[in-house]
Amino acid sequence: ELKVEQNPLFLSMQEGKNYTIYCNYSTTSDRLYWYRQDPGKSLESLFVLLSNGAVKQEGRLMASLDTKARLSTLHITAAVHDLSATYFCAVVDISGTDKLIFGTGTRLQVFP
Amino acid sequence: DTGVSQDPRHKITKRGQNVTFRCDPISEHNRLYWYRQTLGQGPEFLTYFQNEAQLEKSRLLSDRFSAERPKGSFSTLEIQRTEQGDSAMYLCASSPRDRITYEQYFGPGTRLTVT
Repeated sequence: ELKVEQNPLFLSMQEGKNYTIYCNYSTTSDRLYWYRQDPGKSLESLFVLLSNGAVKQEGRLMASLDTKARLSTLHITAAVHDLSATYFCAVVDISGTDKLIFGTGTRLQVFP
Repeated sequence: DTGVSQDPRHKITKRGQNVTFRCDPISEHNRLYWYRQTLGQGPEFLTYFQNEAQLEKSRLLSDRFSAERPKGSFSTLEIQRTEQGDSAMYLCASSPRDRITYEQYFGPGTRLTVT
């Protein structure tokens, strides 16, 4: 059974600082997604990572995937308040219907 | 494409009542998923449709839950005899037939509160 672990669960960081969120998963998969969720809202797609070594960047966020280590990272550079949200990684369960298995989420709070 | 839509956006019901939610996927997306998200948790898979066929159901989907996708277009999720533990955000997602560029597009969700 595919399991996805994310850490940290909660991250409070000062504006301008850098930090990394980690996402580990337990069985083989060929796709991983990062989503952002604001309070009371649905999921906003940030990145789709399709292959080993994939790296994608958008603004202050950069995501990478190591399928051999079953690890993805979401790196935040020079954080700003607007990045405050909950971030989820989701791994595709390729054993059947390609459903997504989500991590527990990382609640990011950026303060001045 | 206008995106995935869900109706209603919010539903407050009393324990024991039945509720039904609707999801309209992006047109021509043949795959449709339902997820449930409780407060402070990540979304959890409930069920999956490929066209009109329901191909997978999570063990989270008790016999009080039923989902349909007639004609492979919109889908409905019904909860009978609601319980307070059913309070959650119910998310619908659709994806296209092309698995190579596969991505699930999420709707705005239906927030259910059972009092």
